[in-house]
Amino acid sequence: GAGVSQSPSNKVTEKGKDVELRCDPISGHTALYWYRQSLGQGLEFLIYFQGNSAPDKSGLPSDRFSAERTGGSVSTLTIQRTQQEDSAVYLCASSFRGGNHEQYFGPGTRLTVT
Amino acid sequence: AQSVTQPDIHITVSEGASLELRCNYSYGATPYLFWYVQSPGQGLQLLLKYFSGDTLVQGIKGFEAEFKRSQSSFNLRKPSVHWSDAAEYFCAVGALDAGNMLTFGGGTRLMVKP
Repeated sequence: GAGVSQSPSNKVTEKGKDVELRCDPISGHTALYWYRQSLGQGLEFLIYFQGNSAPDKSGLPSDRFSAERTGGSVSTLTIQRTQQEDSAVYLCASSFRGGNHEQYFGPGTRLTVT
Repeated sequence: AQSVTQPDIHITVSEGASLELRCNYSYGATPYLFWYVQSPGQGLQLLLKYFSGDTLVQGIKGFEAEFKRSQSSFNLRKPSVHWSDAAEYFCAVGALDAGNMLTFGGGTRLMVKP
C-alpha cells in the first residue's frame, strides 16, 4: 500500500515568508507526528496528533509554528515569518495508534530559508 | 525526560566485516526502543524494535539488536556488512506514556570500505 507522502519535497523561501508543508499519512493510521531534522539539533519531535484528541504541541520551538490535521487524515505544518534557523528537513510519520506501534516515516520536505 | 546517546558519530568498516553500533538510553520506565536507517535523501526506515520479551531482536536486512537493561543499552549488530549498508543509523526511544513520540540519538554514519 501507499506509504506516508509529503509535499513539497523541496521548498526554498525568503526570510519572513510563511510556508505550509503537507503530510498524507497511511490510510487508517490514527496517530501522526511531525519531526524536524537539522544539522545543529539532530532529529527532534515537534507535534503529535492522535485521533480527535487535542494535539501534543510540546515540541514546537516557537509560536511561529503551528499544525492542523483535518478530518483525522491530512496534516499541514505552517511556519510563519520564516527565519534562517528554520532551514531543516521536516519529517512526518504515522502509526496505527500512539502507543507501542511503529511509526512509518515519509521522505521529508527540505526547507531552505534564504 | 528521556534521552538517547550514540557515542560514535562516524564508523568505517570493511565490507564483510562485522558491525556493532552503540546506543545508550535514559528513560524512567521500560523503554520502547527502535533502530532506524536513513539513506541519503531518504526518510527513515525501521530496522527493528524492542517492546518487551526476548531481549535479542531480529530485524530486516540481517540486523539484530540486544536490549541490556543493566547497561541501558540497545546496540545494533550485523555479522557481515554489505556496501549497501552505508547510511546513517538512528537509535530512538519511545515515550509510551506520552503518545510514543520518539527521542532520537544523534546518529552514526556508517561508511563501508570495499
